[in-house]
Amino acid sequence: DAGVIQSPRHEVTEMGQEVTLRCKPISGHDYLFWYRQTMMRGLELLIYFNNNVPIDDSGMPEDRFSAKMPNASFSTLKIQPSEPRDSAVYFCASSLLSGGEQYFGPGTRLTVT
Amino acid sequence: AQSVAQPEDQVNVAEGNPLTVKCTYSVSGNPYLFWYVQYPNRGLQFLLKYITGDNLVKGSYGFEAEFNKSQTSFHLKKPSALVSDSALYFCAVRRGYSTLTFGKGTMLLVSP
Repeated sequence: DAGVIQSPRHEVTEMGQEVTLRCKPISGHDYLFWYRQTMMRGLELLIYFNNNVPIDDSGMPEDRFSAKMPNASFSTLKIQPSEPRDSAVYFCASSLLSGGEQYFGPGTRLTVT
Repeated sequence: AQSVAQPEDQVNVAEGNPLTVKCTYSVSGNPYLFWYVQYPNRGLQFLLKYITGDNLVKGSYGFEAEFNKSQTSFHLKKPSALVSDSALYFCAVRRGYSTLTFGKGTMLLVSP
């Protein structure tokens, strides 16, 4: 398996623009997680899905953030409108078992100017 | 609430020497503990986990971790450090049934 795939790897956009980050989990994994990593706040869980259903989105910072998982092999994280403080590395991870080890994608480095 | 603490921001060790990266935990019930490593510009990689059984857990790349219930610790160790081990290391604990809570990370620098 190719592991968790994320695209794009880098995204530079202007404040106010819509940003869409994409993730393909490992085939057969039932859990998908979106994280944000910054120097100031470390690694934060934004939202996670189980069998394509959002279970906990309490980490989503604002209504500007939304996530979907239309099928078992694809998820998106959207920011609309984007702001400079959204600049971070966004990771997607998947796991096979509840509470088991998670496998991370390479991340998307987002810069909002 | 489940939490982990990594008391050191950075650990420096010379190549060939043993290394220890510290982690303490606070949980209600039995802990499920994990170590991850992050190389520059990469995602986190799973190293090892403790769920039950032997207190010494062996993982990838020659790393191991010792679970100590009385000290509520789960320190990561390696007998002989390599320069290529230089990276950011995260301890994590299971939170609820499905998620993990990560520590703030410890930067390991191995000098030649």
